[in-house]
Amino acid sequence: GENVEQHPSTLSVQEGDSAVIKCTYSDSASNYFPWYKQELGKGPQLIIDIRSNVGEKKDQRIAVTLNKTAKHFSLHITETQPEDSAVYFCAASELAAAGNKLTFGGGTRVLVKP
Amino acid sequence: SAVISQKPSRDICQRGTSLTIQCQVDSQVTMMFWYRQQPGQSLTLIATANQGSEATYESGFVIDKFPISRPNLTFSTLTVSNMSPEDSSIYLCSVRGGARTEAFFGQGTRLTVV
Repeated sequence: GENVEQHPSTLSVQEGDSAVIKCTYSDSASNYFPWYKQELGKGPQLIIDIRSNVGEKKDQRIAVTLNKTAKHFSLHITETQPEDSAVYFCAASELAAAGNKLTFGGGTRVLVKP
Repeated sequence: SAVISQKPSRDICQRGTSLTIQCQVDSQVTMMFWYRQQPGQSLTLIATANQGSEATYESGFVIDKFPISRPNLTFSTLTVSNMSPEDSSIYLCSVRGGARTEAFFGQGTRLTVV
C-alpha cells in the first residue's frame, strides 16, 4: 500500500517568513495530493491540492509543488501570519482506484511567532 | 464543499461501554469514510462506509469492534464497542462526492474512555 512520509514534524517561523513542508510517497500510481490544515479542536480543512498532471499550483500565499519522478511534493506558505499556526497534513491517493482512499503523512505542527 | 455534522462533538465514557457517533451530510455523497486520530498523531482510516452493504475495513480494524451503518447517501454511524482507554481518540467522518476529488471532514468526535 501507499506510504507517505512528512517532514519536519514541527516548524517554528517568524511572522512574515516562509514555511516549507515536504512529503514523499511510495506508490507511483498515486496521482492526487491534497494538503489539510487542522486547527485545535477542529477537523482537517482542505487548503490546496494538486494532481499529477501539473507541477505547481498556487492560491494566494499558498503553493504546492510536485515532482512525480522523485515522488515528492511540498507545501510553501509565504508571508506567514499567526493564523497560519496549525497542524498541516499531506496526503496521497490514486483517483479512480477502488475506494479512493487517502493516505496521510504524519503531520507538521507549524508555529508562527509574532 | 459539503457540510458535515458529527454528533456528539465530545464524550467521556466508562470502559466496557459503547458509543455511537453519527455523521450527517447536507448532500448526497458517493463515499463516506471513518478515521481515527490518536492524540498528537495523524489520521488512520478505519473503514469505508458503503451504502446498502457492509463496510470495508482496513487492516487492524474489525467489524465487531467498530460496527458501521450507512442506510442512505447522507448518513452514517460508527460505533466504538466495548471501549478501553486505548480507544481514546478523535473520530472523524469524511466524505467524497461522485466525480469530485476533494475529501471533506467533519469537526470530529473527541472520545475519552475512563
